[in-house]
Amino acid sequence: QVQLQESGPGLVKSSQTLTLTCAISGDYLNNYNTAWNWIRLSPSRGLEWLGRTSYKFRWSFDYALFVESRITFDPDASKNHLSLHLNFVTPDDTAVYYCARGSDTIDVWGQGTMVTVS
Amino acid sequence: QSALTQPASVSGSPGQSITISCTGTSNDVGSYNLVSWYQHHPGKAPKVMIYEANKRPSGISNRFSGSKSGNTASLTISGLQAEDEADYYCCSYASGASFVFGSGTKVTVL
Repeated sequence: QVQLQESGPGLVKSSQTLTLTCAISGDYLNNYNTAWNWIRLSPSRGLEWLGRTSYKFRWSFDYALFVESRITFDPDASKNHLSLHLNFVTPDDTAVYYCARGSDTIDVWGQGTMVTVS
Repeated sequence: QSALTQPASVSGSPGQSITISCTGTSNDVGSYNLVSWYQHHPGKAPKVMIYEANKRPSGISNRFSGSKSGNTASLTISGLQAEDEADYYCCSYASGASFVFGSGTKVTVL
């Protein structure tokens, strides 16, 4: 059974960098047959796909256009963790952040972690 | 990518059927049969109810069905039950190896 567990600081100040981590169990971050996504949910904008990473001999990254100048993913296959770094956060980045598995269909989600930017 | 368009809310009485629409463009829903639907109870992980427009994952009730025509996908819930009350989101694979989500629909069981 695949489980994803997000963790992070909960509260971040404006202009700082937000770092979240997704711990994966029951699958492997470097599984050739899937991808790992970050998605967020806010009352004002609903669900927003932020990007994904996948591994086929090397890591590849696809980021949503609206956030690509501020975001990076950092996969650590040795720990089976995927980290998200979002720079220069503003209150608009306040949301529940989810880690999710899937390359053409997202089939497994974590419970999410709430992030408030003040 | 703009969000896919869903009605903000849909309601029905127990036992009735409801349908939620999800309208996109030729860059997403219209180009791929990779539309999925998620049920979300706040505080829990979203759950996939339909994938590839009309397929049900193992364990999902056959009261849930999906379809797609052109740029619009639909989710139908038959025999509405109290436990179906939740937020529902559609999602489509989109050009540029990305995903786009719907704006979300709150389903209320009267």
